[in-house]
Formats: sequence, structure tokens, C-alpha cells
Amino acid sequence: EVQLVQSGAEVKKTGESLKISCKGSGYSFSTYWIGWVRQMPGKGLEWMGIIYPGDSDTRYSPSFQGQVTISADKSISTAFLQWSSLKASDTAMYYCARPTLVQGAILRLDYWGQGTLVTVSS
Amino acid sequence: QSALTQPPSASGSPGQSVTISCTGTSSDVGGYNYVSWYQQHPGKAPKLMIYEVSKRPSGVPDRFSGSKSGNTASLTVSGLQAEDEADYYCSSYAGSYSLVFGGGTKLTVL
Repeated sequence: EVQLVQSGAEVKKTGESLKISCKGSGYSFSTYWIGWVRQMPGKGLEWMGIIYPGDSDTRYSPSFQGQVTISADKSISTAFLQWSSLKASDTAMYYCARPTLVQGAILRLDYWGQGTLVTVSS
Repeated sequence: QSALTQPPSASGSPGQSVTISCTGTSSDVGGYNYVSWYQQHPGKAPKLMIYEVSKRPSGVPDRFSGSKSGNTASLTVSGLQAEDEADYYCSSYAGSYSLVFGGGTKLTVL
């Protein structure tokens, strides 16, 4: 059974750094892309970017380029999303999801993590 | 990339059908047959309901169906049931390893 298990909720202050995780199991982690999706409070879903754990090829949505860093450690089947200096506007639920791609085209997001709530206050 | 346009709300009585639209551009919805729909209950992660415009993953009831015409995709829920009450999001491949989502539609079962 494919599972994506995310790290727990975080409460941080503005300016602090943060790294959240998404551990995959039940499949060959290094051979499937992993994506990240943001959902701000009461708002819709936003695509952040995607990484291929096998070679760490990473693609960012223009809206998130330079704002976050997506990484992966295939030895522990875990993808990461990190911030170097959090802002209040980073307060949101963050989901990892495993997409199906064909020749670079993202067809669907088949499996989702349970989400990690990040709260940033001053 | 701008978000796809969905109506903020939709409703129907049990047993009725409801259709939710999702309008994009020729760079996303109109350019690819890679439209998906996700159901999200409060406090839960999204769940894939429809992919590649009209295909259903295993386990999704056939009451859920999808279609597309030009730059607009649609999700139809037939035979509405109480458990269908949720938020629904469309998404489309938008080129260069990117996805774009709709703003979401809150479906109420009256």
C-alpha cells in the first residue's frame, strides 16, 4: 500500500527556519516524483513544485521559486520542504503528493500525505 | 499561471445531479487532456476523483463523471448523496512540470 506520511504540525516565529518532511512507503521511492501543494487557511490548493528523488531533479512553480527549497533523501525515502526565513504569510497546510507523469506532463496526483500545518506568528 | 475559474458554490438535493465547471485557457485546460478533479472533506487531504478529463480511479463511484469542451472542464455528480458534500477542486497540467488548480467549489447537499 502506497503511503505518504508527513511530519507533525509546527508553530514558528517570523524569521525562523523550518524543514518539514514527507516519507514514502509501499513503493520504490526513488523512481516516482513527489510534489508539494500549499493550502492557506480557508483557501484553495496551490502547486509549489516537484522533485524526482532518483536524481534530485527539481522544478518549482514560478510563484514559489526562491521562496522555498524542495529536496529529497532517497536513502530514507523522504522528501523535504524548507524555508530559510519564515513569514506570517507562510501560515498554511502543506501537502505532499505523488503524481503520475508521462514525458514530463503531470497527469494526476494519485496519493496524498495527511498534511503538515505550519503556523507562523510574530 | 492564473488559477482556473470555478464557481464558489454549488448545491443539490439528494438524488439530484449537479455539475461544476472549471474554466481555463488554451495553455492549460484547452491544451491538454490532463484535467483532474479532487474532493476534499473538512480537515482531510484531497482525494483524486477524476483524471485525464473523464477517467475514474478504482473505488470512485460511477456517480462521478467528467467532461471537457474547449477551455472548460466539468464535473458531474449524479444521484447526490450526503457524503458528497465537500469542496471540489479541478486541476490541469499547464506545461513545464507545472499544475494549476481551480479556486474550489463548495458542494452542499440540501
